[in-house]
Amino acid sequence: DTEVTQTPKHLVMGMTNKKSLKCEQHMGHRAMYWYKQKAKKPPELMFVYSYEKLSINESVPSRFSPECPNSSLLNLHLHALQPEDSALYLCASSQPTSGLAKNIQYFGAGTRLSVL
Amino acid sequence: GQQVMQIPQYQHVQEGEDFTTYCNSSTTLSNIQWYKQRPGGHPVFLIQLVKSGEVKKQKRLTFQFGEAKKNSSLHITATQTTDVGTYFCAGKRETSGSRLTFGEGTQLTVNP
Repeated sequence: DTEVTQTPKHLVMGMTNKKSLKCEQHMGHRAMYWYKQKAKKPPELMFVYSYEKLSINESVPSRFSPECPNSSLLNLHLHALQPEDSALYLCASSQPTSGLAKNIQYFGAGTRLSVL
Repeated sequence: GQQVMQIPQYQHVQEGEDFTTYCNSSTTLSNIQWYKQRPGGHPVFLIQLVKSGEVKKQKRLTFQFGEAKKNSSLHITATQTTDVGTYFCAGKRETSGSRLTFGEGTQLTVNP
């Protein structure tokens, strides 16, 4: 099973709203990622968690707040977003252990976010 | 910082024609991966190349990793309409931790 589940699939929010994106995997992966993808562009890394600890923050604005409650779950809390934050938000997971498998990232279907 | 250039940006082919996309990294990579994203979909892992000069095949798809581990290509023989999508390469350096650097992608359309 190589499934990464993301909810919701679609989200429309106003600039004053607070919402959360959720991601879940049951592959035993201990590295989880948030990416932002604009139309016709590659995924852009936002955050990486390794063993439930934040290991990479790619200078993401503080209106995006990640959380990793346990090894299977990853959240992205959204507050006071701007219209330019509208995008597809992808979650991914991988094995952070030794060996070649650690590099392979499995992506969820994404949350398509629109900020009005 | 590390850059991965990918060309062409778009490719339109007739069904049955071949297709190739190329990636070139500004730095030596420890490995490179290829992903496919269908329209409206999400990136799906295709393959990982690790060794210098490595060639791997998956049915009609042939993947190559250059001798210097700085470039890679994906070749599709006799394209089918099911090949439609955007193909991304993603490179990893030894010192980049968990980071993958994605190329800009090649969007393939296939006319039946």
